[in-house]
Amino acid sequence: LAKTTQPISMDSYEGQEVNITCSHNNIATNDYITWYQQFPSQGPRFIIQGYKTKVTNEVASLFIPADRKSSTLSLPRVSLSDTAVYYCLVVEAIMDTGRRALTFGSGTRLQVQP
Amino acid sequence: GAVVSQHPSWVICKSGTSVKIECRSLDFQATTMFWYRQFPKQSLMLMATSNEGSKATYEQGVEKDKFLINHASLTLSTLTVTSAHPEDSSFYICSARAVGGGAKTQYFGPGTRLLVL
Repeated sequence: LAKTTQPISMDSYEGQEVNITCSHNNIATNDYITWYQQFPSQGPRFIIQGYKTKVTNEVASLFIPADRKSSTLSLPRVSLSDTAVYYCLVVEAIMDTGRRALTFGSGTRLQVQP
Repeated sequence: GAVVSQHPSWVICKSGTSVKIECRSLDFQATTMFWYRQFPKQSLMLMATSNEGSKATYEQGVEKDKFLINHASLTLSTLTVTSAHPEDSSFYICSARAVGGGAKTQYFGPGTRLLVL
């Protein structure tokens, strides 16, 4: 069964850089990798999206190796308000079926301490 | 920009009743809308993909007769949970993807929490 996996949790301190990696071994070709932030009882909020190499916006960077089987979200200088769950979203190619499935990663709970 | 709303934000109903949840894209047109379900401390699971003017595509294991989806316009999709039971209690979240331009980004609504007694 195809899985898109992330570390369950991470701890950090204010001002530090945090890197969260998502493994997506069965990612389909020609589809983007997207990262979202979710606070309790809210819908996910878009952070960043990329296809390959590196993408940077005002809040984060996204690193994608050439094989695209993983991606790393980088949050520079986190603050307490960055405490949330972070998800990657990819399209997976389901083995032996020809199907493609829109799949959220398992989610990483980031706790930022003062 | 790219605001998606859901209504209601929460609902409590008796077992056996039906519940309708609305998802609207407020400032853009969405050819495609997605419906997800999220149980406590778990990831989002895609239930179905809805394209304006056509039948929804349901994921494996999701009963199309129980979760009725209508996408009648470019700004509105509805999910009706028919004959709801306690095991249907969950957080339902929709997302919308904008028309054209090779847009790949889904924008999510705030979610609807359903509690079936």
